[in-house]
Amino acid sequence: GAGVSQSPRYKVAKRGQDVALRCDPISGHVSLFWYQQALGQGPEFLTYFQNEAQLDKSGLPSDRFFAERPEGSVSTLKIQRTQQEDSAVYLCASSPAGLGNTGELFFGEGSRLTVL
Amino acid sequence: EDQVTQSPEALRLQEGESSSLNCSYTVSGLRGLFWYRQDPGKGPEFLFTLYSAGEEKEKERLKATLTKKESFLHITAPKPEDSATYLCAVTGNNRKLIWGLGTSLAVNP
Repeated sequence: GAGVSQSPRYKVAKRGQDVALRCDPISGHVSLFWYQQALGQGPEFLTYFQNEAQLDKSGLPSDRFFAERPEGSVSTLKIQRTQQEDSAVYLCASSPAGLGNTGELFFGEGSRLTVL
Repeated sequence: EDQVTQSPEALRLQEGESSSLNCSYTVSGLRGLFWYRQDPGKGPEFLFTLYSAGEEKEKERLKATLTKKESFLHITAPKPEDSATYLCAVTGNNRKLIWGLGTSLAVNP
């Protein structure tokens, strides 16, 4: 596709449920980022992939959060046993450049997660 | 600690009323400063990259400038379609993008 695609756009989960959020980056983009954005806040870094390698997962808030990009293309962010504080917009971004030259990111429209 | 502070938090302008948004930063070894625009319900959209003090970039009614401590996003004769949140981010020696909280701009017709 022409841009970064994320699905689902909206997800409502009951507390304790597991959720999976999908990101289709722009074809050929090396770098893939996941961010969490709360209302009125800037994006908060979660994790970074260069191709299939997860080079940085320092932003994942707990071991309930897990991300993968097994073939260096599509990525999935999984949240286990969701809590209300997980409610946020989850943004995926990709870049053709590798680490250190990745300030110019292409973002998807985000997946809005609401945990009841 | 690397940090980005944007001001004001919110700005309301009349159509045609020029103004500037500020992004102050502290970072070890600036590698780049980036401006993004974010519309409600959308992901951020890249606008500009600035690499060194004195550099300027322009796009339509927007001009971004950079000094050693801050960047300004100047908006000349804004239109209602310029209404959005403008985000600033920097990357330094640790190669992580550090984001500000954004300035929410509303331009009234």
